[in-house]
Amino acid sequence: AQSVTQLGSHVSVSEGALVLLRCNYSSSVPPYLFWYVQYPNQGLQLLLKYTSAATLVKGINGFEAEFKKSETSFHLTKPSAHMSDAAEYFCAVSKGQAGTALIFGKGTTLSVSS
Amino acid sequence: DADVTQTPRNRITKTGKRIMLECSQTKGHDRMYWYRQDPGLGLQLIYYSFDVKDINKGEISDGYSVSRQAQAKFSLSLESAIPNQTALYFCATSDSRDRGTQYFGPGTRLLVL
Repeated sequence: AQSVTQLGSHVSVSEGALVLLRCNYSSSVPPYLFWYVQYPNQGLQLLLKYTSAATLVKGINGFEAEFKKSETSFHLTKPSAHMSDAAEYFCAVSKGQAGTALIFGKGTTLSVSS
Repeated sequence: DADVTQTPRNRITKTGKRIMLECSQTKGHDRMYWYRQDPGLGLQLIYYSFDVKDINKGEISDGYSVSRQAQAKFSLSLESAIPNQTALYFCATSDSRDRGTQYFGPGTRLLVL
């Protein structure tokens, strides 16, 4: 069965610092992996996705993630945090074949201080 | 995403009442989903539908039912609401040709007293 574990429910960084949000997955089939962001009082917005093409995936707002099969990881990074990055971030894996429902991690809240 | 709308946006109801949450989309997607979000638990899948005639239970379907009235409409019902169904509910859509990417509505905040 597919599952996702996000390490750290809360991450705090200073403005300009590196952002690293960790995600490990378990999947019985080649996974499709996603990162979504949720700003306060809003729905989820797709940041980036891995669909078996390039292992380094670039997304919106300067974020990127690297798929590492050997480590079953899909960590999200951004070189320099901005105050506007403060939000909750969710990692997700396809439930089964591509196009099926998603299994979400429990989320990581990112705080950015000036 | 304005292409996926949910009504109502906020709702307060009492234990035992029947309530329906509605979702409409103009994206032309064939697949639709209902999730609930609870603090610290992420999103949990309630039901999903791959087309009008295909309805599937998710991880936490007990106490919920759904109706896919048309390709663009997917409703979630709580037959007899209970307080632990207080949560934020999201509808999402996807295109079967788009490798799993889902697009979310703004959410419905439900409080069951």
